[in-house]
Amino acid sequence: GAVVSQHPSWVICKSGTSVKIECRSLDFQATTMFWYRQFPKQSLMLMATSNEGSKATYEQGVEKDKFLINHASLTLSTLTVTSAHPEDSSFYICSARGLALTGELFFGEGSRLTVL
Amino acid sequence: SQQGEEDPQALSIQEGENATMNCSYKTSINNLQWYRQNSGRGLVHLILIRSNEREKHSGRLRVTLDTSKKSSSLLITASRAADTASYFCATDLYFGNEKLTFGTGTRLTIIP
Repeated sequence: GAVVSQHPSWVICKSGTSVKIECRSLDFQATTMFWYRQFPKQSLMLMATSNEGSKATYEQGVEKDKFLINHASLTLSTLTVTSAHPEDSSFYICSARGLALTGELFFGEGSRLTVL
Repeated sequence: SQQGEEDPQALSIQEGENATMNCSYKTSINNLQWYRQNSGRGLVHLILIRSNEREKHSGRLRVTLDTSKKSSSLLITASRAADTASYFCATDLYFGNEKLTFGTGTRLTIIP
């Protein structure tokens, strides 16, 4: 199956700093990737849809200036949490649909962000 | 907002027993999918069932879909300790739709 790599798997940063998380499709091209946020023991909340070569589409309530998404190539999307605060601490997961468009999503392993 | 709600929220069974999880959703769908998530990891796709299908099997997994009741169930037979994980249903609203909407999840614990 398609492989999605996410990096870093965990990061600790100081309040006020920015953190970048990368999501790569390793063996397929993904014109669209998705970024989710997950709180402990809860479901996934879709934050935004990342579109290659165009602006991301954010879900209602997600701050665009806070969570910057860039999809510069068909295999890479990045999420930058700007001026991070402790309430931004969470598990962030990216995913992509494979080229076969059979419907399923392939997920990265997630990135756990802790803001001190 | 959550499209799907899973029931039960948590389930503990003895190894070897069968585990059944249910998912209810609100709107018409193109397909429904089940995913598994080990603690602190990403999600892994298990099975997809289309709106015109009623039952599907994959190994020890059996999924049913009742579109009239807007519900689905996931049955794991002969459970193993390694099946311990959270299981999520996700709905795909229409063909060509890019987004999946995930349910609230069931935390399954298999007791050795």
